[in-house]
Amino acid sequence: EDQVTQSPEALRLQEGESSSLNCSYTVSGLRGLFWYRQDPGKGPEFLFTLYSAGEEKEKERLKATLTKKESFLHITAPKPEDSATYLCAVRGGATNKLIFGTGTLLAVQP
Amino acid sequence: DGGITQSPKYLFRKEGQNVTLSCEQNLNHDAMYWYRQDPGQGLRLIYYSQIVNDFQKGDIAEGYSVSREKKESFPLTVTSAQKNPTAFYLCASSMPSGTDTQYFGPGTRLTVL
Repeated sequence: EDQVTQSPEALRLQEGESSSLNCSYTVSGLRGLFWYRQDPGKGPEFLFTLYSAGEEKEKERLKATLTKKESFLHITAPKPEDSATYLCAVRGGATNKLIFGTGTLLAVQP
Repeated sequence: DGGITQSPKYLFRKEGQNVTLSCEQNLNHDAMYWYRQDPGQGLRLIYYSQIVNDFQKGDIAEGYSVSREKKESFPLTVTSAQKNPTAFYLCASSMPSGTDTQYFGPGTRLTVL
């Protein structure tokens, strides 16, 4: 069964304290892994798409990496405005649908 | 600005009522989607449409209905048959290829009174 697991469920960091969020997946024939940021009461905001193992993408303090079994979202020197829920999703398998994880709630304290 | 709009932002429904959630996009995307988000669960697909006048059931279509009469619009009706409709509803759109990114609207929060 296609599945996405995100860890940790919640993460509290001090401003400037770098860390990583994990997204583990099982899907046959990966056709894309997607990272989104979601603020409370709002729709997910697209961050990155990764297609093949070894691929990396960066945007400001965020860097996403991909292996054959998992993806990491690295946050370097986070600021309070980086506080949000980060969602991971994969597309693949027979149906080509997006399968979402339950997210990691990140809180960055000043 | 191109984007996806959803209305209303908040919606309250009485037991036994049907309600319709609006989703409009001006991104010229062919594919549109409806998801439901509940606390502690990943987004779940309700319905999707890859072209006008065609749509398919997602993983949790029971108690919901949709139409796709225009490329820009994909309204979702939550019927009285949906036993637990209180949730945050998200509309998304994309180009229909197998690798394209889905972009989301701001969401509608539906509460059953």
